[in-house]
Amino acid sequence: KAGVTQTPRYLIKTRGQQVTLSCSPISGHRSVSWYQQTPGQGLQFLFEYFSETQRNKGNFPGRFSGRQFSNSRSEMNVSTLELGDSALYLCASSLAGRGFGNTIYFGEGSWLTVV
Amino acid sequence: KNQVEQSPQSLIILEGKNCTLQCNYTVSPFSNLRWYKQDTGRGPVSLTIMTFSENTKSNGRYTATLDADTKQSSLHITASQLSDSASYICVVSGGAGNKLTFGGGTRVLVKP
Repeated sequence: KAGVTQTPRYLIKTRGQQVTLSCSPISGHRSVSWYQQTPGQGLQFLFEYFSETQRNKGNFPGRFSGRQFSNSRSEMNVSTLELGDSALYLCASSLAGRGFGNTIYFGEGSWLTVV
Repeated sequence: KNQVEQSPQSLIILEGKNCTLQCNYTVSPFSNLRWYKQDTGRGPVSLTIMTFSENTKSNGRYTATLDADTKQSSLHITASQLSDSASYICVVSGGAGNKLTFGGGTRVLVKP
């Protein structure tokens, strides 16, 4: 079956702009989580959506937001981009989400560079 | 505070040799522990997931162990190959809301 699909794969934005990243989870998965990964910080949890509802949120400023659609596809948006937002943004999907004992599948990520 | 500490941060091994990565956690109550492999610039790929009652789980040349009493886990790579060069991330579930806590990862470089 198809894996987690993230688009775009690479993008370059200018400070102050906004960006929207998209994630299509594995068919049947209702939980979608987003992570930011930078070389110095490792994987940092952004938020989790389950059946269109945000269930968990990490410690990121309000510039980071997300949503999930009825078909479980999810988008995350970052407004007023800063240089420090340059990172690999990973989407993960699973059946039940959180830390329940089901496998969590990651997408290949979206590389965002802010200049 | 729930934490996951991995060691070493990085290591270099020769092709064909074995190595062991360590993961210590303070997450409580414990739900499960996962190991992921992440190639540079790619998304993490699940290797194993273990619950409280499981001591060992294998996935090909990868063997994970779990000691829930001491809150330690290890990932053993047998007969390493060049394709094993990657970061290995330990992730522990538990605590309030059964959230995931990520370790900082161990970067492995296999040299011919």
